[in-house]
Amino acid sequence: AQSVTQLDSQVPVFEEAPVELRCNYSSSVSVYLFWYVQYPNQGLQLLLKYLSGSTLVKGINGFEAEFNKSQTSFHLRKPSVHISDTAEYFCAVSDRAGNQFYFGTGTSLTVIP
Amino acid sequence: KAGVTQTPRYLIKTRGQQVTLSCSPISGHRSVSWYQQTPGQGLQFLFEYFSETQRNKGNFPGRFSGRQFSNSRSEMNVSTLELGDSALYLCAIYDRVDGYTFGSGTRLTVV
Repeated sequence: AQSVTQLDSQVPVFEEAPVELRCNYSSSVSVYLFWYVQYPNQGLQLLLKYLSGSTLVKGINGFEAEFNKSQTSFHLRKPSVHISDTAEYFCAVSDRAGNQFYFGTGTSLTVIP
Repeated sequence: KAGVTQTPRYLIKTRGQQVTLSCSPISGHRSVSWYQQTPGQGLQFLFEYFSETQRNKGNFPGRFSGRQFSNSRSEMNVSTLELGDSALYLCAIYDRVDGYTFGSGTRLTVV
């Protein structure tokens, strides 16, 4: 089985500053990794995913994440945040067969003007 | 790109009533999953339907039920509503490579 830990429940950051949202996972098998974003009263939207290949993955809205197998991490980063990035961010992991899918508890990102 | 439509967007119900939520995945997707999202519990898996059969079920009481029709549309029913059932209910389709694609959700408020 897999599990996901998002280390920070809330992250405040000033506009135009860089941000990193942390995600660690545990699994006994190879996994796929995902980051989702959720705006208020909306469903979750896929930001980016890691399936294989390059460990640096680029997603929408200027976000990127790096898969680190040795540290079992998949941290999300953005070099300069905007007010519109204020949202809830979820990290998720699945086994490669697609039989199990787990979400983290979410990180609330607040961008301060 | 695949999509999911959920109706209604907002609902207000009284304790003890029952409610039915609807989810329509884009044509061709046979798998539909339901999640409950609350501030305290986060995202919790309710159940998954595949070709009209329940394939997986989360740890929810029997008051929560669902079904899927031959056109892949799915409904979720909650009977004897409790205040704690107030939540955002999300429907999603799943692809092994793309993960989940979610609808906008139904915000249920029980008063």
